[in-house]
Amino acid sequence: AAGVIQSPRHLIKEKRETATLKCYPIPRHDTVYWYQQGPGQDPQFLISFYEKMQSDKGSIPDRFSAQQFSDYHSELNMSSLELGDSALYFCASSLEGRTVLGSYNEQFFGPGTRLTVL
Amino acid sequence: AQSVTQLDSQVPVFEEAPVELRCNYSSSVSVYLFWYVQYPNQGLQLLLKYLSGSTLVKGINGFEAEFNKSQTSFHLRKPSVHISDTAEYFCAVSFLNTGFQKLVFGTGTRLLVSP
Repeated sequence: AAGVIQSPRHLIKEKRETATLKCYPIPRHDTVYWYQQGPGQDPQFLISFYEKMQSDKGSIPDRFSAQQFSDYHSELNMSSLELGDSALYFCASSLEGRTVLGSYNEQFFGPGTRLTVL
Repeated sequence: AQSVTQLDSQVPVFEEAPVELRCNYSSSVSVYLFWYVQYPNQGLQLLLKYLSGSTLVKGINGFEAEFNKSQTSFHLRKPSVHISDTAEYFCAVSFLNTGFQKLVFGTGTRLLVSP
Protein backbone atom coordinates (compact mmCIF):
# COMPACT_ATOMS: atom_id res chain seq x y z
CA ALA A 1 0.00 0.00 0.00
CA ALA A 2 1.18 3.49 -0.76
CA GLY A 3 2.51 5.45 2.16
CA VAL A 4 3.32 9.06 2.89
CA ILE A 5 6.44 10.16 1.04
CA GLN A 6 8.75 12.83 2.31
CA SER A 7 11.69 14.32 0.52
CA PRO A 8 14.47 14.73 1.04
CA ARG A 9 15.09 12.22 3.80
CA HIS A 10 18.16 14.06 4.98
CA LEU A 11 19.13 17.69 4.54
CA ILE A 12 22.14 19.61 5.74
CA LYS A 13 22.10 23.40 5.67
CA GLU A 14 24.12 26.29 7.01
CA LYS A 15 22.75 28.92 9.37
CA ARG A 16 20.69 31.61 7.64
CA GLU A 17 20.08 29.39 4.62
CA THR A 18 16.68 28.33 3.32
CA ALA A 19 15.21 24.81 3.17
CA THR A 20 12.16 23.31 1.52
CA LEU A 21 10.68 20.05 2.72
CA LYS A 22 8.13 18.18 0.65
CA CYS A 23 5.35 15.82 1.62
CA TYR A 24 3.31 13.62 -0.68
CA PRO A 25 0.22 12.26 1.08
CA ILE A 26 -1.38 8.89 0.56
CA PRO A 27 -3.55 8.99 -2.58
CA ARG A 28 -7.01 10.47 -1.91
CA HIS A 29 -5.92 11.93 1.42
CA ASP A 30 -6.85 15.59 1.53
CA THR A 31 -5.41 16.62 4.91
CA VAL A 32 -1.74 17.10 5.72
CA TYR A 33 -0.12 17.75 9.10
CA TRP A 34 3.45 18.86 9.84
CA TYR A 35 5.22 18.01 13.09
CA GLN A 36 8.69 18.89 14.35
CA GLN A 37 10.63 16.54 16.63
CA GLY A 38 13.77 18.01 18.16
CA PRO A 39 16.56 15.75 19.47
CA GLY A 40 15.21 13.74 22.37
CA GLN A 41 11.92 15.62 22.22
CA ASP A 42 8.32 14.73 21.49
CA PRO A 43 6.79 15.67 18.14
CA GLN A 44 5.27 19.16 18.16
CA PHE A 45 2.45 20.13 15.82
CA LEU A 46 3.38 22.92 13.42
CA ILE A 47 0.58 23.37 10.92
CA SER A 48 -2.08 21.51 8.95
CA PHE A 49 -3.95 21.87 5.69
CA TYR A 50 -7.30 20.60 4.52
CA GLU A 51 -8.32 20.94 0.90
CA LYS A 52 -5.44 23.34 0.24
CA MET A 53 -6.46 25.71 3.03
CA GLN A 54 -4.67 26.09 6.34
CA SER A 55 -6.84 24.30 8.88
CA ASP A 56 -4.86 24.69 12.09
CA LYS A 57 -1.67 26.29 13.29
CA GLY A 58 0.58 25.32 16.14
CA SER A 59 4.01 26.42 17.26
CA ILE A 60 5.34 27.28 13.85
CA PRO A 61 7.92 30.09 13.74
CA ASP A 62 7.22 33.10 11.55
CA ARG A 63 10.31 32.15 9.53
CA PHE A 64 8.47 29.05 8.36
CA SER A 65 5.66 28.92 5.85
CA ALA A 66 3.79 26.09 4.26
CA GLN A 67 1.18 25.40 1.66
CA GLN A 68 -0.79 22.58 0.13
CA PHE A 69 -1.03 22.34 -3.63
CA SER A 70 -3.80 21.25 -5.96
CA ASP A 71 -2.44 17.68 -6.03
CA TYR A 72 -2.55 17.75 -2.19
CA HIS A 73 1.18 17.56 -1.72
CA SER A 74 2.54 20.04 0.77
CA GLU A 75 5.76 21.99 1.16
CA LEU A 76 7.28 23.44 4.31
CA ASN A 77 9.54 26.39 3.59
CA MET A 78 12.04 27.37 6.23
CA SER A 79 14.08 30.56 5.96
CA SER A 80 16.89 32.11 8.00
CA LEU A 81 17.66 28.72 9.46
CA GLU A 82 18.94 28.56 13.02
CA LEU A 83 20.83 25.83 14.83
CA GLY A 84 17.69 25.12 16.86
CA ASP A 85 15.81 24.19 13.71
CA SER A 86 17.78 20.95 13.55
CA ALA A 87 15.12 18.30 13.98
CA LEU A 88 13.17 15.49 12.42
CA TYR A 89 10.22 16.88 10.49
CA PHE A 90 7.27 14.57 10.08
CA CYS A 91 4.42 14.87 7.69
CA ALA A 92 1.19 12.95 8.23
CA SER A 93 -1.83 12.63 6.01
CA SER A 94 -5.44 11.61 6.52
CA LEU A 95 -8.80 11.78 4.93
CA GLU A 96 -10.82 14.80 5.99
CA GLY A 97 -9.34 15.44 9.39
CA ARG A 98 -12.30 17.15 10.95
CA THR A 99 -13.21 16.26 14.49
CA VAL A 100 -16.56 14.54 14.41
CA LEU A 101 -17.47 12.85 17.66
CA GLY A 102 -17.35 9.11 17.26
CA SER A 103 -15.31 9.08 14.11
CA TYR A 104 -11.66 9.47 13.36
CA ASN A 105 -9.58 9.42 10.26
CA GLU A 106 -6.20 8.02 11.15
CA GLN A 107 -3.11 10.09 10.53
CA PHE A 108 -0.48 8.15 8.65
CA PHE A 109 3.04 9.36 9.24
CA GLY A 110 5.83 9.61 6.74
CA PRO A 111 9.41 8.54 7.56
CA GLY A 112 10.43 12.13 8.25
CA THR A 113 13.07 14.51 6.95
CA ARG A 114 16.08 14.94 9.18
CA LEU A 115 17.28 18.53 8.94
CA THR A 116 20.70 19.41 10.29
CA VAL A 117 21.66 23.07 10.51
CA LEU A 118 25.38 23.73 10.88
CA ALA B 1 -5.36 23.38 30.21
CA GLN B 2 -4.92 20.53 27.77
CA SER B 3 -1.81 18.44 28.23
CA VAL B 4 -0.36 14.96 28.00
CA THR B 5 2.02 13.56 30.60
CA GLN B 6 4.27 10.54 30.44
CA LEU B 7 5.90 10.39 33.85
CA ASP B 8 8.49 7.76 33.00
CA SER B 9 11.18 8.92 30.64
CA GLN B 10 12.80 5.48 30.62
CA VAL B 11 11.61 2.04 31.65
CA PRO B 12 14.17 -0.79 31.85
CA VAL B 13 12.75 -4.30 31.87
CA PHE B 14 13.97 -7.84 31.33
CA GLU B 15 12.85 -9.91 28.39
CA GLU B 16 9.58 -11.82 28.94
CA ALA B 17 8.63 -9.61 31.89
CA PRO B 18 5.41 -7.56 31.85
CA VAL B 19 5.55 -3.83 31.35
CA GLU B 20 3.28 -0.84 31.83
CA LEU B 21 3.94 2.58 30.33
CA ARG B 22 1.94 5.34 31.92
CA CYS B 23 0.08 8.17 30.23
CA ASN B 24 -2.13 10.79 31.82
CA TYR B 25 -3.88 13.69 30.20
CA SER B 26 -5.65 16.83 31.25
CA SER B 27 -8.72 18.01 29.35
CA SER B 28 -12.12 19.57 29.84
CA VAL B 29 -13.39 18.12 26.56
CA SER B 30 -13.69 14.67 25.09
CA VAL B 31 -10.53 13.11 23.73
CA TYR B 32 -9.26 10.47 21.39
CA LEU B 33 -6.21 8.62 22.70
CA PHE B 34 -3.32 6.97 20.90
CA TRP B 35 -0.06 5.17 21.47
CA TYR B 36 2.69 5.39 18.87
CA VAL B 37 6.01 3.56 18.73
CA GLN B 38 9.18 4.95 17.21
CA TYR B 39 12.13 2.69 16.50
CA PRO B 40 15.57 4.27 16.17
CA ASN B 41 15.85 6.51 13.13
CA GLN B 42 12.37 5.64 11.98
CA GLY B 43 8.96 7.28 11.78
CA LEU B 44 5.94 6.93 14.03
CA GLN B 45 3.85 3.78 13.92
CA LEU B 46 0.38 3.59 15.44
CA LEU B 47 0.15 0.87 18.11
CA LEU B 48 -3.46 1.36 19.14
CA LYS B 49 -6.18 3.94 19.61
CA TYR B 50 -9.21 4.63 21.75
CA LEU B 51 -12.11 6.53 20.21
CA SER B 52 -15.15 5.23 22.07
CA GLY B 53 -16.73 2.02 23.30
CA SER B 54 -14.81 -0.62 25.22
CA THR B 55 -12.20 0.96 27.44
CA LEU B 56 -9.76 -1.88 26.84
CA VAL B 57 -8.22 -1.67 23.41
CA LYS B 58 -5.85 -4.11 21.81
CA GLY B 59 -3.20 -3.13 19.34
CA ILE B 60 -0.41 -4.58 17.33
CA ASN B 61 2.55 -6.59 18.65
CA GLY B 62 0.61 -7.81 21.69
CA PHE B 63 0.13 -4.39 23.27
CA GLU B 64 -3.07 -3.25 24.93
CA ALA B 65 -4.21 -0.13 26.74
CA GLU B 66 -7.01 0.79 29.06
CA PHE B 67 -8.84 4.11 29.07
CA ASN B 68 -9.77 5.28 32.56
CA LYS B 69 -11.90 8.39 32.32
CA SER B 70 -12.06 9.08 36.05
CA GLN B 71 -8.28 8.97 36.34
CA THR B 72 -7.74 10.54 32.91
CA SER B 73 -5.25 7.82 32.08
CA PHE B 74 -4.44 5.62 29.13
CA HIS B 75 -1.70 3.24 30.25
CA LEU B 76 -0.05 0.88 27.78
CA ARG B 77 0.66 -2.70 28.80
CA LYS B 78 2.26 -5.84 27.46
CA PRO B 79 2.29 -9.09 29.42
CA SER B 80 5.63 -10.31 28.05
CA VAL B 81 8.11 -8.08 26.25
CA HIS B 82 10.71 -8.99 23.67
CA ILE B 83 14.08 -7.50 22.90
CA SER B 84 12.56 -6.15 19.70
CA ASP B 85 10.14 -3.99 21.72
CA THR B 86 13.02 -1.70 22.62
CA ALA B 87 11.90 1.66 21.25
CA GLU B 88 10.46 5.05 22.16
CA TYR B 89 6.75 5.06 22.95
CA PHE B 90 4.62 8.17 22.64
CA CYS B 91 1.16 8.74 24.05
CA ALA B 92 -0.85 11.18 21.96
CA VAL B 93 -4.18 12.90 22.39
CA SER B 94 -6.61 14.58 20.04
CA PHE B 95 -8.71 17.11 21.96
CA LEU B 96 -12.18 17.34 20.49
CA ASN B 97 -12.68 21.05 20.90
CA THR B 98 -10.92 21.96 17.71
CA GLY B 99 -12.17 21.48 14.23
CA PHE B 100 -9.28 19.35 13.13
CA GLN B 101 -7.55 16.38 14.59
CA LYS B 102 -4.02 17.51 15.36
CA LEU B 103 -2.20 15.32 17.83
CA VAL B 104 -0.61 16.46 21.07
CA PHE B 105 2.18 14.12 22.12
CA GLY B 106 3.60 13.27 25.50
CA THR B 107 7.34 13.51 26.04
CA GLY B 108 7.84 9.83 25.34
CA THR B 109 9.00 6.79 27.30
CA ARG B 110 12.04 4.85 26.24
CA LEU B 111 11.49 1.13 26.78
CA LEU B 112 14.74 -0.75 27.22
CA VAL B 113 14.41 -4.53 27.10
CA SER B 114 17.45 -6.52 28.14
CA PRO B 115 18.11 -10.28 28.06
